[in-house]
Amino acid sequence: QVHLVESGGGVVLPGGSLRLSCATSGFTFRNYGMHWVRQAPGKGLEWVAFIRHDGNDQFYAESVKGRFTISKDTSKNSVRLQMNSLRPEDTAVYFCAKDGEGLDYWGQGTLVIVSS
Amino acid sequence: EIVLTQSPGTLSLSPGERATLSCRASQSISSSYFAWYQQRPGQAPRLLIYGASNRASDIPDRFSGSGSGTDFTLTVSRLEPEDFAVYYCQQYGFSPYTFGQGTKLEI
Repeated sequence: QVHLVESGGGVVLPGGSLRLSCATSGFTFRNYGMHWVRQAPGKGLEWVAFIRHDGNDQFYAESVKGRFTISKDTSKNSVRLQMNSLRPEDTAVYFCAKDGEGLDYWGQGTLVIVSS
Repeated sequence: EIVLTQSPGTLSLSPGERATLSCRASQSISSSYFAWYQQRPGQAPRLLIYGASNRASDIPDRFSGSGSGTDFTLTVSRLEPEDFAVYYCQQYGFSPYTFGQGTKLEI
């Protein structure tokens, strides 16, 4: 069955960087796009980024454009989110999700806290 | 950016009752790229409905979705205790692939 496991979260100072990873299994990774979605404490879901199955196109929310980069590593069946110039408002649980008919499988999330 | 507005913000019902949740888009969207998700406390979201009206795998048939254009509805025909959660709509046809703000379904 499909499994998604995020890692790389933690506490970082404002202006700092962090790289999140999402390890996947149970499906043919190269055939599917992948998303990152975040959820600030006590808030709703916010879509962050999407990468197409072949890695050739990436899309971002305005709130992270120019600071975050999504990438796929097909050799490791993983998707990454490089987060630079972090702000306190980036504090959230970050979920990776598989693109299918909708976002059909989700990981359990990794917590990022941006604080001094 | 397409803004999705869900109503009501909170819906208070009892097990066995029928729940109707709404999602309105700021502009017309393709029903092929519209979904509903359920999120229970402390858990990741779970896909319920895709393409506006198609149930995802293993979703009970008491959940149904309908709508087109700018107005979409999620109906839970007879509420079970495990259905009390937060529900989100999402459009994934145009980037940014926005979510609604959520409807909390509470007892």
